[in-house]
Amino acid sequence: AQKITQTQPGMFVQEKEAVTLDCTYDTSDQSYGLFWYKQPSSGEMIFLIYQGSYDEQNATEGRYSLNFQKARKSANLVISASQLGDSAMYFCAMRGDQAGTALIFGKGTTLSVSS
Amino acid sequence: GAVVSQHPSWVICKSGTSVKIECRSLDFQATTMFWYRQFPKQSLMLMATSNEGSKATYEQGVEKDKFLINHASLTLSTLTVTSAHPEDSSFYICSASTGVRSPLHFGNGTRLTVT
Repeated sequence: AQKITQTQPGMFVQEKEAVTLDCTYDTSDQSYGLFWYKQPSSGEMIFLIYQGSYDEQNATEGRYSLNFQKARKSANLVISASQLGDSAMYFCAMRGDQAGTALIFGKGTTLSVSS
Repeated sequence: GAVVSQHPSWVICKSGTSVKIECRSLDFQATTMFWYRQFPKQSLMLMATSNEGSKATYEQGVEKDKFLINHASLTLSTLTVTSAHPEDSSFYICSASTGVRSPLHFGNGTRLTVT
């Protein structure tokens, strides 16, 4: 069984600062993917970044980077230079690399960015 | 690319009636689609996996006779909430993937209110 743990219900950061959202996971799969999504108050799910279990380098997408530590089973999201529009719920998720596999989500972290 | 369209965005219905929610992949074919439910301030919980041309696979605790899923084509899956009750009020969101190591692309969700 797969499990995603996000231990920070809420995080607060000031504009232009960096913030790290924590995520740990557990799985028996040898090959899997880790994902981060952003959900603003409108409810849409916005894909941010992907890390494959066999990728040797940490993934980066603009202001988002994923700090992947496979031995510790952690996949923390780092947002650099926070913006007011970053205020939202953030979900860490994973899925095995088999076809037809769903995403399993963590409980989420609410990020609030202040000016 | 990889757009998933979901309709309606919101619906209010009376207790005892049925509601159908449509999920379409607009620019790709989706052999598998996934249906999630989200209560306020909570995470996304997988309800079922919808497979084109075959029966859906439901997660434990999800009533298959209450939440009817039909995946009649490679671009359309429907979720029908039958004999809806107030406790079925929730945010329902569908998703599909373009490949094994690809993210799930989500529809914008349907907010169901049962009065």
